[in-house]
Amino acid sequence: QEQLQQWGAGLLKPSESLSLTCAVSGGSFSGYFWSWIRQSPEGLEWIGEINRSGSTNYNPSLKSRVTISIDTSKNQFSLKLSSVTAADTAVYHCARLRLTKIRGVITPNYFDLWGQGTLVSVSS
Amino acid sequence: QSALTQPASVSGSPGQSITISCTGTSSDVGSYDLVSWYQHHPGKAPKVIFYEVSKRPSGVSIRFSGSKSGNTASLTISGLQAEDEADYYCCSYAGGATWVFGGGTKVTVL
Repeated sequence: QEQLQQWGAGLLKPSESLSLTCAVSGGSFSGYFWSWIRQSPEGLEWIGEINRSGSTNYNPSLKSRVTISIDTSKNQFSLKLSSVTAADTAVYHCARLRLTKIRGVITPNYFDLWGQGTLVSVSS
Repeated sequence: QSALTQPASVSGSPGQSITISCTGTSSDVGSYDLVSWYQHHPGKAPKVIFYEVSKRPSGVSIRFSGSKSGNTASLTISGLQAEDEADYYCCSYAGGATWVFGGGTKVTVL
């Protein structure tokens, strides 16, 4: 059964760096974009994504602080968010972005597999 | 890139129909049919219930339907059941290889 298992530190102080990792099991690592999405009382926010080749796309509002990396040998991908503040307190999910063919073009389409989420709290 | 606008909460009695709106702009919802909807029961992983506005993944009840008009997408749940009580989020491609989500709607079954 395909699943995403994620882990990382849950309590940070302001200015520290958030670091989370997501492992892909039971399915192919190729042919998808691997994403990070966070959930707060304001809703869901897409953070960014990476493919197997290491090509990344980031949310412009977070781009200066975000790094998403991938380790294909371990079928894992990771999120690093630097200089966190209380505003970064959220549940962070890893997710798989499925690509589909639309009018003959391979197109990123929807998030079809999600991790359970990791609560990250930022407090002094 | 602003979040898509959803009502904070919608409620209905068992058997009724409810509709959740998701309003974006001409740069996201209005420009692309890459609108998806997610159901989230707290403590569980979110689950996709629609993609490309109205395509339902296998296993999703036909009581759910999706549509779009202009800059607004909508999710309708017919024959509301207790198990439908959850948070619902819309998502749209926003161009430039970016995605935008909505603020979420809490559905309560009375």
